[in-house]
Amino acid sequence: DAMVIQNPRYQVTQFGKPVTLSCSQTLNHNVMYWYQQKSSQAPKLLFHYYDKDFNNEADTPDNFQSRRPNTSFCFLDIRSPGLGDAAMYLCATSKPAGVAGLNTEAFFGQGTRLTVV
Amino acid sequence: AQSVTQLDSQVPVFEEAPVELRCNYSSSVSVYLFWYVQYPNQGLQLLLKYLSGSTLVKSINGFEAEFNKSQTSFHLRKPSVHISDTAEYFCAVSDRGSQGNLIFGKGTKLSVKP
Repeated sequence: DAMVIQNPRYQVTQFGKPVTLSCSQTLNHNVMYWYQQKSSQAPKLLFHYYDKDFNNEADTPDNFQSRRPNTSFCFLDIRSPGLGDAAMYLCATSKPAGVAGLNTEAFFGQGTRLTVV
Repeated sequence: AQSVTQLDSQVPVFEEAPVELRCNYSSSVSVYLFWYVQYPNQGLQLLLKYLSGSTLVKSINGFEAEFNKSQTSFHLRKPSVHISDTAEYFCAVSDRGSQGNLIFGKGTKLSVKP
């Protein structure tokens, strides 16, 4: 029944070694988001896709990239992870504003906890 | 720009006691308001939301929140908490567009003790 699925749930990567986190959805939503949540902090939006249109938040570091090959999948690539990138990464989806009226609730995945060693 | 303030980082209460988690927001535009709950090592679950209409919104598990425009608040309340309510609670706002573009508060850890 899971609608937004993140794999893996836990990821350990080496300092400086590229890593990719995966998100898939069965909701057919146009919009997919990536949030970063550091320990004891609020989730912070990194970027989102509206269909194939990529929207980067102004303060998202260049080290973070994203790909969306199709409606169902979205990837978060960290090119050179640093110790400060250790966090929970949350994927979410929603319908787009305007088209769906008030029916644009966001659905979150379970998150991937990234450890950098 | 929008911002959310949750003044209480931790709230310990005894089981069956009432609780209020405070949330204030700042925005130059009309917003939607949300409360999310997060259990350890889990994602975020929507607890309740205010989009329009009645300013008092309720969840299925006994929580409620009231939108107060004049005080720019959206406090979360429950008259009697359970051990299972122990979690972190995040207040969030979005502009009146997609509800996935969220600004979160720093969260309040609710600890319910027997």
